[in-house]
Amino acid sequence: GNSVTQMEGPVTLSEEAFLTINCTYTATGYPSLFWYVQYPGEGLQLLLKATKADDKGSNKGFEATYRKETTSFHLEKGSVQVSDSAVYFCALSDLDTGNQFYFGTGTSLTVIP
Amino acid sequence: NAGVTQTPKFQVLKTGQSMTLQCAQDMNHEYMSWYRQDPGMGLRLIHYSVGAGITDQGEVPNGYNVSRSTTEDFPLRLLSAAPSQTSVYFCASSLIGQVGGEQYFGPGTRLTVT
Repeated sequence: GNSVTQMEGPVTLSEEAFLTINCTYTATGYPSLFWYVQYPGEGLQLLLKATKADDKGSNKGFEATYRKETTSFHLEKGSVQVSDSAVYFCALSDLDTGNQFYFGTGTSLTVIP
Repeated sequence: NAGVTQTPKFQVLKTGQSMTLQCAQDMNHEYMSWYRQDPGMGLRLIHYSVGAGITDQGEVPNGYNVSRSTTEDFPLRLLSAAPSQTSVYFCASSLIGQVGGEQYFGPGTRLTVT
């Protein structure tokens, strides 16, 4: 079946540090991959996505590359800011399962000045 | 364009009470779903629907009912609230059959059952 495994948190970084949050997936079909972000007290919102192998999704300085050979979609940012403090969710959807979404458990990031 | 709306934002119930969480979307999405979010558990799918008149169970359906009489609305009913249902509930919607189609989330309902 489909599933997503992401790095356990919480993660605490100093401002301007490099961020990596690992995400690996298992899928029966050819999934699309997503990173969602949840700021305190809010719903999830799409951060970036990729729909085929070697695609790179990017937004707000965050990047993730769809790696089919390693079934991974790691989130990276070169220099984090205090405003990046949030919970990050890796997810996949698959046309074979009617576009149902499968989410990882989320990784909490706190950036300190 | 309001996206996905949820009401109420906060709710406190006593054990055994029933209530309905409302969800509506104005994007003509076929797929709608309800999740609950608990600390350390991520998002767990409660029920989902692929169109008006069609609903199905997710990972944690017990204690919850849904119906989908219109494309726009997807209410979640708690039949007899229990403290274990204390959680944050999110409604989401998306298109079906679109590669890379994102799921849009509402702002959430924070429910406490005492």
